[in-house]
Amino acid sequence: DVKVTQSSRYLVKRTGEKVFLECVQDMDHENMFWYRQDPGLGLRLIYFSYDVKMKEKGDIPEGYSVSREKKERFSLILESASTNQTSMYLCASSSTANYGYTFGSGTRLTVV
Amino acid sequence: EDQVTQSPEALRLQEGESSSLNCSYTVSGLRGLFWYRQDPGKGPEFLFTLYSAGEEKEKERLKATLTKKESFLHITAPKPEDSATYLCAAKGSNYQLIWGAGTKLIIKP
Repeated sequence: DVKVTQSSRYLVKRTGEKVFLECVQDMDHENMFWYRQDPGLGLRLIYFSYDVKMKEKGDIPEGYSVSREKKERFSLILESASTNQTSMYLCASSSTANYGYTFGSGTRLTVV
Repeated sequence: EDQVTQSPEALRLQEGESSSLNCSYTVSGLRGLFWYRQDPGKGPEFLFTLYSAGEEKEKERLKATLTKKESFLHITAPKPEDSATYLCAAKGSNYQLIWGAGTKLIIKP
């Protein structure tokens, strides 16, 4: 069964901390994505990557960075966590040929 | 501006009561219309992709249809386990997914 695995289901961090959210896929997909999901705002794209060491800004990249050193792994970094980054974070992957995205289970991050 | 709008925001049905969810889109150069199901606290689960007007796809009690302006997700004789939020997304000429806000479906036994 193909999978996108996010390292943590729940995280609580303090304001100003550097936070790493990890995502691994086992489908050899070229494309990987990070979204955040908030009530009433839907899914918003933070960053995406079409290849190793390649990254593109999405709609709301401010306060975030990403790293893709290996094809299967895409990390989201909150350089200095703030309370307005409290959210559900979702990682997804897709192949170039198949447009459907496969999502991970999500990480619910609370910044206090 | 590319946009995807879902209606209604929420829908409560009795078990067995069929209905439809709507997804209206304004996307240049549509390259796919996607439906996902999302259960509380989980990531979205892929259901269907539709590529051209007139196309239909079915899975159990769900059937998705596509016109040039909108897509419908028809649910026939729903069961309580069909309760979830259903998300629609459109992929345009820039290959980015534009997401709707979702329809929360509640099926009462």
